[in-house]
Amino acid sequence: AQKVTQAQTEISVVEKEDVTLDCVYETRDTTYYLFWYKQPPSGELVFLIRRNSFDEQNEISGRYSWNFQKSTSSFNFTITASQVVDSAVYFCASINSGGSNYKLTFGKGTLLTVNP
Amino acid sequence: ETGVTQTPRHLVMGMTNKKSLKCEQHLGHNAMYWYKQSAKKPLELMFVYSLEERVENNSVPSRFSPECPNSSHLFLHLHTLQPEDSALYLCASSQSLRGAANTEAFFGQGTRLTVV
Repeated sequence: AQKVTQAQTEISVVEKEDVTLDCVYETRDTTYYLFWYKQPPSGELVFLIRRNSFDEQNEISGRYSWNFQKSTSSFNFTITASQVVDSAVYFCASINSGGSNYKLTFGKGTLLTVNP
Repeated sequence: ETGVTQTPRHLVMGMTNKKSLKCEQHLGHNAMYWYKQSAKKPLELMFVYSLEERVENNSVPSRFSPECPNSSHLFLHLHTLQPEDSALYLCASSQSLRGAANTEAFFGQGTRLTVV
């Protein structure tokens, strides 16, 4: 069974600070995918990134970066120079590649508040 | 705008009422999902449809009844709900159910349901 843990329930930062959201996953599968989604106050989950288990390269997209480390089963998300518009709930999720490979397993989410 | 539209956005219903939630996507996707998001709990997958056929019923009580008349529309019929069913109900779609192509889901903004 898959499990995703986001230990940080809430984080509050001041604008322009860097912030890292932690994600630890558990899976018995050798092939799996990891995701980050953003849920702004409007409600919809917005896809941010997908990473497969064979690709441990870190990724940077503008102010966003992701650090995938299989050795620690972590897939952390860093926002550099945070902005008020980054305020949202962020979800980490996983999915395996076999069997019921459409089931996203979500963490409980981290509420990020960026204050001006 | 994610391409997945849910109506209504907010719904208050009594325990004896019957109501329906609607989800619509025009992304050409073949798979559609219902998720339940309760406070302080991970998103729970409720139902999965692929090409209008239900492939997953994740131990959801019968007071929730899904319907997928075509690949663009998904309904969730509600009857004799309980107060603990109050939650945000999210619809999602993905290109297909199997393989890497399915692993990016697009979410609607959700219906905030309150059962009184």
